[in-house]
Amino acid sequence: DGGITQSPKYLFRKEGQNVTLSCEQNLNHDAMYWYRQDPGQGLRLIYYSQIVNDFQKGDIAEGYSVSREKKESFPLTVTSAQKNPTAFYLCASSTMGGTEAFFGQGTRLTVV
Amino acid sequence: DAKTTQPPSMDCAEGRAANLPCNHSTISGNEYVYWYRQIHSQGPQYIIHGLKNNETNEMASLIITEDRKSSTLILPHATLRDTAVYYCIVRPYSGGYQKVTFGTGTKLQVIP
Repeated sequence: DGGITQSPKYLFRKEGQNVTLSCEQNLNHDAMYWYRQDPGQGLRLIYYSQIVNDFQKGDIAEGYSVSREKKESFPLTVTSAQKNPTAFYLCASSTMGGTEAFFGQGTRLTVV
Repeated sequence: DAKTTQPPSMDCAEGRAANLPCNHSTISGNEYVYWYRQIHSQGPQYIIHGLKNNETNEMASLIITEDRKSSTLILPHATLRDTAVYYCIVRPYSGGYQKVTFGTGTKLQVIP
């Protein structure tokens, strides 16, 4: 089955530690995205990538980093510079055409 | 990309039709209307999209006004599993999702 997989579903980290969230897709999509969602809020774009080895900052990139070494993988690192990292993180992928975006099931990160 | 306006919440009796409105008065001629829904603690899921004609699929119907400034998503026979946040977005048919705003959507509560 084609789809997009995020892991883990829940993640706990101590304050000051970097943490990497995994996102893998087997849909052969060129574009991949990372969003952050806080309770009762919409989705805010952190980073996106339209091609391997290239990515662009979204609206709230500070304190985050990404890589796109393979078409199917787009990991997100939440660094210690992110002031309030506790949130629900969503990864998505799409073609560059008119098809729908596919979302992963999300990773809920809690920093204590 | 054009922005959308949706009511923050709606209730619907189980088995009845749920009609979710969306205002997109600044939509451009090349922008499509897309609907997604997000069940609690999951990733958003695509429902339907359209340009100017009414569309129907196995999940829902989409009615777009003639001037394209508003639309309505119709769930013909709402079930408890339809309880979710519904997002209306507009985007050009090509170019990815990096400029798309997923706002706070409409929280639909289906009542037994």
